Amino acid sequence: EAGVVQSPRYKIIEKKQPVAFWCNPISGHNTLYWYLQNLGQGPELLIRYENEEAVDDSQLPKDRFSAERLKGVDSTLKIQPAELGDSAVYLCASSFQGNTEAFFGQGTRLTVV
Amino acid sequence: QKEVEQNSGPLSVPEGAIASLNCTYSDRGSQSFFWYRQYSGKSPELIMFIYSNGDKEDGRFTAQLNKASQYVSLLIRDSQPSDSATYLCAVTAMNTGNQFYFGTGTSLTVIP
Repeated sequence: EAGVVQSPRYKIIEKKQPVAFWCNPISGHNTLYWYLQNLGQGPELLIRYENEEAVDDSQLPKDRFSAERLKGVDSTLKIQPAELGDSAVYLCASSFQGNTEAFFGQGTRLTVV
Repeated sequence: QKEVEQNSGPLSVPEGAIASLNCTYSDRGSQSFFWYRQYSGKSPELIMFIYSNGDKEDGRFTAQLNKASQYVSLLIRDSQPSDSATYLCAVTAMNTGNQFYFGTGTSLTVIP
């Protein structure tokens, strides 16, 4: 069974440019998470979806970040415009339902220069 | 107060010893508890989960949960150099909408 797939693995962009990350969760998993992880820190939740509904986006900086999960499967996270402080690893995870074990993709390492 | 607290370490143990990793949480309504292993430059990998008080064993790993004291621990028996990684504790609670709260992780080094 395929795991959580994310792309791209690495992205380098100049500040003020837009960037998008894509995630394909494990088949059958209704819950999808986007996390941000800085070096030496634990993952921090940006947004959680239950099917196509964003049920927790309180930590998402909505002035520059947006996300969507059309049809309750794949998801895209966008940053526009990117800032230097956005440099981090962006992780996508999925679980069968909330409160059950979540599995992570390989992450996208974003560098904003 | 952070929802999930872990000692950042680093924790060093000799090969073959027992490594003990601890995690405390603040929300008494927490229901599900997870341990993830993260190698440098890699994404977190689930190694154990526990829902009920007591011990749960899986190979060399044992998770221990004490809801009254609000802590969960992970024991690694017969530690191997390949166990060297950062271990993340995660907790969820229904009253926070099942959000996964992660600790900052404990860095473990197993010395050959």
